[in-house]
Amino acid sequence: RKEVEQDPGPFNVPEGATVAFNCTYSNSASQSFFWYRQDCRKEPKLLMSVYSSGNEDGRFTAQLNRASQYISLLIRDSKLSDSATYLCVVNLSNSSYKLIFGSGTRLLVRP
Amino acid sequence: DAGVIQSPRHEVTEMGQEVTLRCKPISGHNSLFWYRQTMMRGLELLIYFNNNVPIDDSGMPEDRFSAKMPNASFSTLKIQPSEPRDSAVYFCASSHSGQTVYGYTFGSGTRLTVV
Repeated sequence: RKEVEQDPGPFNVPEGATVAFNCTYSNSASQSFFWYRQDCRKEPKLLMSVYSSGNEDGRFTAQLNRASQYISLLIRDSKLSDSATYLCVVNLSNSSYKLIFGSGTRLLVRP
Repeated sequence: DAGVIQSPRHEVTEMGQEVTLRCKPISGHNSLFWYRQTMMRGLELLIYFNNNVPIDDSGMPEDRFSAKMPNASFSTLKIQPSEPRDSAVYFCASSHSGQTVYGYTFGSGTRLTVV
């Protein structure tokens, strides 16, 4: 089983739609969680951290469910510029520096 | 802040040749990471340096790969001899004291093609 699993997509949605991605992780002791965004042929960039109580940044909302070991990202009012691959990232508790990246979920927002 | 700087951006080389990838981390960051990204395997951590010392090289595929960090502002990843299966995008990332809570900053990557 992969340490971090994501649906590869693609999710193809119209502008203005709300879309949600889920991600599951295998290590129950994982401590830190993130969503990164990667545009085609570019480097990954930190989108937002995921806090235990859930957190929001503009149109983006991240949730953590430790009991079920999954993380979600909700994007409201999708823009064309949201088209990218979204990487779920987990920090393993036994090595504070090591981030494990999921393979990513591809989002296409159409006009 | 110039960010993490990698060179070259693209490298095409013939099988058997030596390849050297370069990275300059963000000034003040003392943790440096080399990642490799392929369609099949996604992003994989190759090696992690803290204060210029290699801490974890368990992700380095084999002896053909080596990495150095002679000072706080420079690191290299060398492949010798290169093989077609080494074709991938290689990213360097840096952070402060490995503080993952703030995530890492990635460089633009080096796209390596071995023919």
